[in-house]
Amino acid sequence: GAGVSQTPSNKVTEKGKYVELRCDPISGHTALYWYRQSLGQGPEFLIYFQGTGAADDSGLPNDRFFAVRPEGSVSTLKIQRTERGDSAVYLCASGVGGNEQFFGPGTRLTVL
Amino acid sequence: ELKVEQNPLFLSMQEGKNYTIYCNYSTTSDRLYWYRQDPGKSLESLFVLLSNGAVKQEGRLMASLDTKARLSTLHITAAVHDLSATYFCAVDMAGTASKLTFGTGTRLQVTL
Repeated sequence: GAGVSQTPSNKVTEKGKYVELRCDPISGHTALYWYRQSLGQGPEFLIYFQGTGAADDSGLPNDRFFAVRPEGSVSTLKIQRTERGDSAVYLCASGVGGNEQFFGPGTRLTVL
Repeated sequence: ELKVEQNPLFLSMQEGKNYTIYCNYSTTSDRLYWYRQDPGKSLESLFVLLSNGAVKQEGRLMASLDTKARLSTLHITAAVHDLSATYFCAVDMAGTASKLTFGTGTRLQVTL
């Protein structure tokens, strides 16, 4: 079956611009997670949705970052006024029942 | 704050040899995950360990969990070149599969 998909696969933007990153979870998965992975590091948690609501957003670094999941399926991670330090691979994962998280291919964000 | 440490960070080993990667974590948890990541790719789930004493094996890889020692090991038997990748352990502190805290990863290079 289809796995987690993320679009775009690559995004290059200029400092100060706004970006949206999209995640399509595995069908039927109620839980959705966003992580950020910098070069040479492990993924770092950003936010977790259970259904439509953000159950834990403690990993969002500041108020420039925001994520939504309005219908409990697709999620969008939104970054305002991007900074060079936001450059990373943004990973989305989905799961059900809490036993395992399945990761998408990621979006590589480069802020010039 | 939960800390997850892996060692070694880099491992170069010859084909046919055995080795163990260690994952230590700082607070109580009984859920630990191992993932594999190839360069430029996303995370592939290898093992889910859900209780003290859990042991799982797949091919040349075997993972175990000691929750009292807060330690998991990933043992590689008779390494082959195809196992070259970065391996991450991740811990779910809350015990409800919300956010995962990842180790820094172990980059494994298997040489001929």
